[in-house]
Amino acid sequence: SQQGEEDPQALSIQEGENATMNCSYKTSINNLQWYRQNSGRGLVHLILIRSNEREKHSGRLRVTLDTSKKSSSLLITASRAADTASYFCATLNSGYSTLTFGKGTMLLVSP
Amino acid sequence: KAGVTQTPRYLIKTRGQQVTLSCSPISGHRSVSWYQQTPGQGLQFLFEYFSETQRNKGNFPGRFSGRQFSNSRSEMNVSTLELGDSALYLCASSFRGGVTSYNEQFFGPGTRLTVL
Repeated sequence: SQQGEEDPQALSIQEGENATMNCSYKTSINNLQWYRQNSGRGLVHLILIRSNEREKHSGRLRVTLDTSKKSSSLLITASRAADTASYFCATLNSGYSTLTFGKGTMLLVSP
Repeated sequence: KAGVTQTPRYLIKTRGQQVTLSCSPISGHRSVSWYQQTPGQGLQFLFEYFSETQRNKGNFPGRFSGRQFSNSRSEMNVSTLELGDSALYLCASSFRGGVTSYNEQFFGPGTRLTVL
């Protein structure tokens, strides 16, 4: 069953703009991770935020986590055409050792 | 380090047949997880192996099985294939040393299975 639900399902922006994707989940978590997938290929790990963290940065990526609202957001700043991909949030549930993925947000960045 | 490799990359089978997919994790990684990805259901967890033992299993029928060898390489098998088994099958490896508070997974490119 899906734990994370991303919003929006699809996002289309111009190069240079910022892209924000949101993720909501249902149960308590150990950590939340964001992955990127290019056109039916394997997933690439982007960033991990632990349940006791509120914000994390990595290059042009900024992730926030609000455990009281059971939600997270991924911000990609100054987007590039190469950022075009599907983005998934995944939660590592407390007490478990596996990730549960949402259905993803498809991001299209036009030149 | 070499990444996670999966073989074959593409596979076409017919209903009723069985199939075996292979995954070689990153050197030193002891945990291998398998996921099924379809347009309708998204990414769904199949099972996880650690040190040759299945530690977790997703909600899939018994036609889906797997195993892990002493070198951490893993195989998954699907018997009596159905049309709905057409999917991208992804393998992921991670290093799990004792109790960990994170579980970054490294994914292979996947095997695209088409069942006709």
